[in-house]
Amino acid sequence: DTGVSQNPRHKITKRGQNVTFRCDPISEHNRLYWYRQTLGQGPEFLTYFQNEAQLEKSRLLSDRFSAERPKGSFSTLEIQRTEQGDSAMYLCASSSTTGAEYGYTFGSGTRLTVV
Amino acid sequence: AQKVTQAQTEISVVEKEDVTLDCVYETRDTTYYLFWYKQPPSGELVFLIRRNSFDEQNEISGRYSWNFQKSTSSFNFTITASQVVDSAVYFCALSEAGGETSGSRLTFGEGTQLTVNP
Repeated sequence: DTGVSQNPRHKITKRGQNVTFRCDPISEHNRLYWYRQTLGQGPEFLTYFQNEAQLEKSRLLSDRFSAERPKGSFSTLEIQRTEQGDSAMYLCASSSTTGAEYGYTFGSGTRLTVV
Repeated sequence: AQKVTQAQTEISVVEKEDVTLDCVYETRDTTYYLFWYKQPPSGELVFLIRRNSFDEQNEISGRYSWNFQKSTSSFNFTITASQVVDSAVYFCALSEAGGETSGSRLTFGEGTQLTVNP
């Protein structure tokens, strides 16, 4: 297992376009988290899945954002009608059920630039 | 609500100096976990340490050491004899214990940019 994989690493898009990011977690991990990190800030929680169920969403996750985790394996995060304020690093992490106790593994992130 | 404060935005030291990164947290939970992560310029978050709220023993790992004090809600990180390769952004984070149905999301501080000059 090579850890948490995120694709693409970088994405530049024009304002108003839709973008989709992919996260492949560690295969044994049933929890998957999405975070957003803007320049100079710490990562902020967006949403998390346990298996295929999306169990929690942050207020940061506007209706332009949607995340899925079909079959409880990889996850996708889609942003519709992108805005310049969406420019950020999007980080994915995975963990076992009791993530805090056993830790989280983060991917290298997808850096989104909206022009 | 949980909150993590890293009051030091930037720290600059000369190689071989010792440096301490401060972290103060707020939580209503009695069981929680504290973390430190390192984020080099490449962007990935590198796990350094995890402590649970019931274990206040200080920990040392090579040049790294951590001081956890529940009385002051602090979890400070010291690098001894700093090296240029230690230059990165360091994040302190807090998580509730979570369980079978709760998420145990991480709440991060804003990070401390450490620059170690040769």
